[in-house]
Amino acid sequence: QSVLTQPPSVSAAPGQKVTISCSGSNSNIGDNFVSWYQHLPQTAPKLLIYEKNKRPSGIPDRFSGSQSGTSATLGITGLQTGDDAHYYCATWDSTLSAVVFGGGTMLTVL
Amino acid sequence: QVQVQQWGAGLLKPSETLSLTCAVYGGSFSGYSWSWIRQPPGKELEWIGKINDSGSTKYNPSLKSRATISLDTPKIQISLRLTSVTAADTAVYYCATMPATSHLNSNPYMDFWAKGTTVTVSS
Repeated sequence: QSVLTQPPSVSAAPGQKVTISCSGSNSNIGDNFVSWYQHLPQTAPKLLIYEKNKRPSGIPDRFSGSQSGTSATLGITGLQTGDDAHYYCATWDSTLSAVVFGGGTMLTVL
Repeated sequence: QVQVQQWGAGLLKPSETLSLTCAVYGGSFSGYSWSWIRQPPGKELEWIGKINDSGSTKYNPSLKSRATISLDTPKIQISLRLTSVTAADTAVYYCATMPATSHLNSNPYMDFWAKGTTVTVSS
């Protein structure tokens, strides 16, 4: 059972928008910033969002992040087939004294 | 462009010591930290620990002191040792950089990752 809960899978058509949720508690999301990562098989995970809603250089503004209370959300607009990947949220958990990750969400662009 | 590369033994027997090394190229790493993360088959990512540029470390308590992370500053190489491995340590292991603006216990994030090394523990 993951400390951060994500839906196992989401799907949408090309060009559409999708959101991926990440639910936690006061000891993690409720008190710390969330980051998001994209992971394609056999590649290095890629940072998409940090400090709740900031994007690293090179990440298009189709990707957005939000955070409220004990939940965070990754939004992806204008879906492309290249967005097919696993997406993970992460933050610090003060009870566990560790960085924790969500279980991951597989995005399928139909 | 920053590149993170890692290498090490991919097949171990139970009770042996896992040893991986990570090197970072192509950037200025003043104030940086480096983390090791792993993903067992079919499971979520698990943070192992991190080291900063002055050699200070922080580990995931779940590993019960089996992990040691060290830094070779001139080479910007980071090593992971995990002792007394068992089948539960079978995973893909990743090295990742954490910039100076990433604060472990409030705002942790990893901006560049290696592709990962598959480590299998089997007798």
